[in-house]
Amino acid sequence: EAQVTQNPRYLITVTGKKLTVTCSQNMNHEYMSWYRQDPGLGLRQIYYSMNVEVTDKGDVPEGYKVSRKEKRNFPLILESPSPNQTSLYFCASSLSRVNTEAFFGQGTRLTVV
Amino acid sequence: GENVEQHPSTLSVQEGDSAVIKCTYSDSASNYFPWYKQELGKRPQLIIDIRSNVGEKKDQRIAVTLNKTAKHFSLHITETQPEDSAVYFCAAMVIKRGTYKYIFGTGTRLKVLA
Repeated sequence: EAQVTQNPRYLITVTGKKLTVTCSQNMNHEYMSWYRQDPGLGLRQIYYSMNVEVTDKGDVPEGYKVSRKEKRNFPLILESPSPNQTSLYFCASSLSRVNTEAFFGQGTRLTVV
Repeated sequence: GENVEQHPSTLSVQEGDSAVIKCTYSDSASNYFPWYKQELGKRPQLIIDIRSNVGEKKDQRIAVTLNKTAKHFSLHITETQPEDSAVYFCAAMVIKRGTYKYIFGTGTRLKVLA
């Protein structure tokens, strides 16, 4: 089954404790991205990757890192999480050409206390 | 910068009535406009999209219209049903410097009242 898989689905952590949210897709998509969803703000892009070893900042990259060592994986790293990073996070992937559908993962609800 | 404005933020309709959600985008170079539906606790999923070379597209009870001159596009749902209740996001694709990204609206929570 074609899908985008994120882990974990739920995470509660403490301020400053490094964490990684994994994202994997099995559709051979070149383009992958991370979004955060907050009430009233919609989906805001954090980082995106056009292909392996190619990443770029989205609209809200502060406090996040990503890597793209393999085509199928695009982990999101929070080196020192803070409470303002409490949010619902979605990974998405699509073919690397314009005008194509983005497929979303199931979401990760992160709470930083 | 690029942005997409979406209205209304909440919308309640009686079952069987129509619902309309409107979006405005800022980047005149945008040429792809998808709509995503997010049911409670679920991921966003594409329900319909439109490209800039057409003005309207229909898929059963759902239609999208695009006015490139005014930089407006709208989602129309006819004969609404309770299962249409969800959050709907519009988006515009922005292409710059050989790369591209989606800019999403802030979402519309649609409630269909039985």
